[in-house]
Amino acid sequence: NAGVMQNPRHLVRRRGQEARLRCSPMKGHSHVYWYRQLPEEGLKFMVYLQKENIIDESGMPKERFSAEFPKEGPSILRIQQVVRGDSAAYFCASSPTSDRAEAFFGQGTRLTVV
Amino acid sequence: GENVEQHPSTLSVQEGDSAVIKCTYSDSASNYFPWYKQELGKRPQLIIDIRSNVGEKKDQRIAVTLNKTAKHFSLHITETQPEDSAVYFCAASIGGSQGNLIFGKGTKLSVKP
Repeated sequence: NAGVMQNPRHLVRRRGQEARLRCSPMKGHSHVYWYRQLPEEGLKFMVYLQKENIIDESGMPKERFSAEFPKEGPSILRIQQVVRGDSAAYFCASSPTSDRAEAFFGQGTRLTVV
Repeated sequence: GENVEQHPSTLSVQEGDSAVIKCTYSDSASNYFPWYKQELGKRPQLIIDIRSNVGEKKDQRIAVTLNKTAKHFSLHITETQPEDSAVYFCAASIGGSQGNLIFGKGTKLSVKP
């Protein structure tokens, strides 16, 4: 089991471009959570998804951000028209159930907007 | 809104000493409290967690205590080693175990040999 895989590890985008972050959960895990970590800050919840469903997106900015977890393939966090303030580390975690005790984090994607 | 306060933000100890990190939370419905260790540039890793039906949990050199009445919980690391140096985050579930995790801002622990 390769663990939670995120790619790319590092992503540089110019202001106004789109960023796509991918998260492949651990085998057998159908629950995915996305968190954002700003420098010197803790992790802030963004969205919780199960296969083909968004369960809780209360932490997602209202505009430019979207997430999906299709039946096949990885979960995608999409940021449209990126701005400098989007620069952060984005982590996803997966679990086999909705119990956070079993959530494992990926290595993160570090997004830099120039 | 709900929040988690974590103190101190930085902590420096000598190898072999104990380290204590404290967190308070605001949501009385919180019932799950994990602690994560994050080394520079790496993923957060769960090191210990506690649920609201117990007051203390221990795993080798690491222990966590929970006071639900006062809404605070603490991480205790005994016999610290240089490899314990990292940023530690506490978190609390919002709305019960089915809810989201809210994280503290982290404590940067430095263990000096």
